[in-house]
This record gives sequence, C-alpha cells and structure tokens, in this order.
Amino acid sequence: DAGITQSPRYKITETGRQVTLMCHQTWSHSYMFWYRQDLGHGLRLIYYSAAADITDKGEVPDGYVVSRSKTENFPLTLESATRSQTSVYFCASSLIILGGTEAFFGQGTRLTVV
Amino acid sequence: AQSVTQLGSHVSVSEGALVLLRCNYSSSVPPYLFWYVQYPNQGLQLLLKYTSAATLVKGINGFEAEFKKSETSFHLTKPSAHMSDAAEYFCAVSAASGNTPLVFGKGTRLSVIA
Repeated sequence: DAGITQSPRYKITETGRQVTLMCHQTWSHSYMFWYRQDLGHGLRLIYYSAAADITDKGEVPDGYVVSRSKTENFPLTLESATRSQTSVYFCASSLIILGGTEAFFGQGTRLTVV
Repeated sequence: AQSVTQLGSHVSVSEGALVLLRCNYSSSVPPYLFWYVQYPNQGLQLLLKYTSAATLVKGINGFEAEFKKSETSFHLTKPSAHMSDAAEYFCAVSAASGNTPLVFGKGTRLSVIA
C-alpha cells in the first residue's frame, strides 16, 4: 500500500535496552521527520532528514539516533531506553518544506519503557 | 524562531453548537499555518492550511480558519459541531522562508456532548 507506515504499532521494552522504530514511505518524499507526542507537550521534533545521508537535530534529540541510507526509510533508535522515553512516536514525510507544504503522518508507535 | 500557542487544552461543546479553537502564532514575518486533526489511536491528518493566498481558508469536514495578521491569530471554527468531530486538534507553523520543519502547538482536545 502507498503511504507512510510505522512498525511496530506497539512496543514494550525494558530500561537500558536498545530499540528501533521503523518508518517507511512510498512517495519518494525528500523530507522525513520523527516527532514524539506527550500529554501537555503536543508534538516535539526529535530529528529530521532532508535526503539520504542528511539528518539534523530537532528540539529533543538527546538519547536518540537516526540514519537514512535510503530515501524511503528513516529508522529511529533509542540506544539505551529510559522511562522518560515512554511516548507515542510519529514519523512524517513531506516533498519539501518550503511554501507551506504539508507533512503526512504515519499511524504512530506507542512505546512503553518499563 | 516561530511558535504557536493554542489557548485551552480542552474544549467541550454541545452537538450542533459552534466550535472555536484558538491559535496564536509568533513570527516577525507572516508564516505558513496549518491545522491538523488526530482521531483516537491514529496519526495526524491535515484539516487546512494558510499559505497567503486567502485569509479565510476552508478545509475538510466543514472546518475553516481565518488568518488575522493584526491579531497574529489563526483560529479554527465550525458552525455546527458533530459527534464525529471529537478529536485532538493541533495548530502548526512553518517559516515563510528557509528550510524549517513544522512546529506544533500543544493541542486542544475537543469533546462533543450529545
């Protein structure tokens, strides 16, 4: 199916473990983004990427690592998960980020760190 | 840097009543503005966007928003609320120039009472 898909939809992990959240888009959009959603904070940008092998930090990058070897994939890795990283994570993509171009969002991954 | 403030984390209206969700932006230059909606357990979906073509913007599901530069506002309205409008609504902003990702407000949860 065309669009943007995230996997897994739900994940429970233990403190200190490494976990990777996957994001795949079929539109060949240049830009991809990772946001986290927390009550009282709305959506906050973690990392974004303008193209393959080009990534940049957002508002809350600490504790996260990203890579983008292919245009269509943008995985997010928590190297050593902490309880404060319990959140809902959204991946998004857009063709460009000029001219009021909208971003398209995946369904989200609900991550619980115990 | 641009930002948006959503007034009221929770708004409750009766079915058939006017919906008004408030958003104020902070930017020295009129930016691009967006309203997204998030239904339970889903990703974000674009409702409408302002890109300077017209100050009154019509979106999906009967929603509209008016850009008011003098008030730095972009409030979302709908004349008559429907039960299906119950969701989380996010205002977002992107700069008029430069490659900057969307910045979201903290969200407003809309409840519709029968």
